[in-house]
Amino acid sequence: TQLLEQSPQFLSIQEGENLTVYCNSSSVFSSLQWYRQEPGEGPVLLVTVVTGGEVKKLKRLTFQFGDARKDSSLHITAAQPGDTGLYLCAGPYTGGFKTIFGAGTRLFVKA
Amino acid sequence: EAGVAQSPRYKIIEKRQSVAFWCNPISGHATLYWYQQILGQGPKLLIQFQNNGVVDDSQLPKDRFSAERLKGVDSTLKIQPAKLEDSAVYLCASSSSLLAGYNEQFFGPGTRLTVL
Repeated sequence: TQLLEQSPQFLSIQEGENLTVYCNSSSVFSSLQWYRQEPGEGPVLLVTVVTGGEVKKLKRLTFQFGDARKDSSLHITAAQPGDTGLYLCAGPYTGGFKTIFGAGTRLFVKA
Repeated sequence: EAGVAQSPRYKIIEKRQSVAFWCNPISGHATLYWYQQILGQGPKLLIQFQNNGVVDDSQLPKDRFSAERLKGVDSTLKIQPAKLEDSAVYLCASSSSLLAGYNEQFFGPGTRLTVL
């Protein structure tokens, strides 16, 4: 069974700090996605990474896909209160027709 | 472009009662998903439709849960009878493609169900 483990489960930091959250698996994924979910809302896609070693940047967010395509990380530079939310990684299985989600990292950025 | 609509937003029922949730996906999206998100966990796929056909319902507790997507547009998810462990947020999502892992899923705001 393919599983996605995310760490840390919870992170509380001050505005302006940097942070990295991780998504790990013992299985190879053909792609991984990162979603952010704010309280009372559904998840919103941030990025999809498909190539081992790939790095994508989205303003202050940097996403990396591991060379072996078993892990991914999300680095946030100079965190802001608006970054507060649940960060979920997700990957395809069963031929790409289904998505499995990790349990998420809940981030709280204090002003 | 309108997003995925869900109703109701909140529902409180007693165990053994029935409840139904409604979802209207983004216009033109053939693929529709129902997820269950228990507090502290990521979304878990319950059922996936392609148009009005079921692609996967392997994690749907079929003794109590049912879902349909008549005419390949709107969808309803029903629980009958509800159990305490069904308390969760039920998310509906839609996508323009079957290949969910590579394409964006657009989520609705969810229905928060509390079973007392």
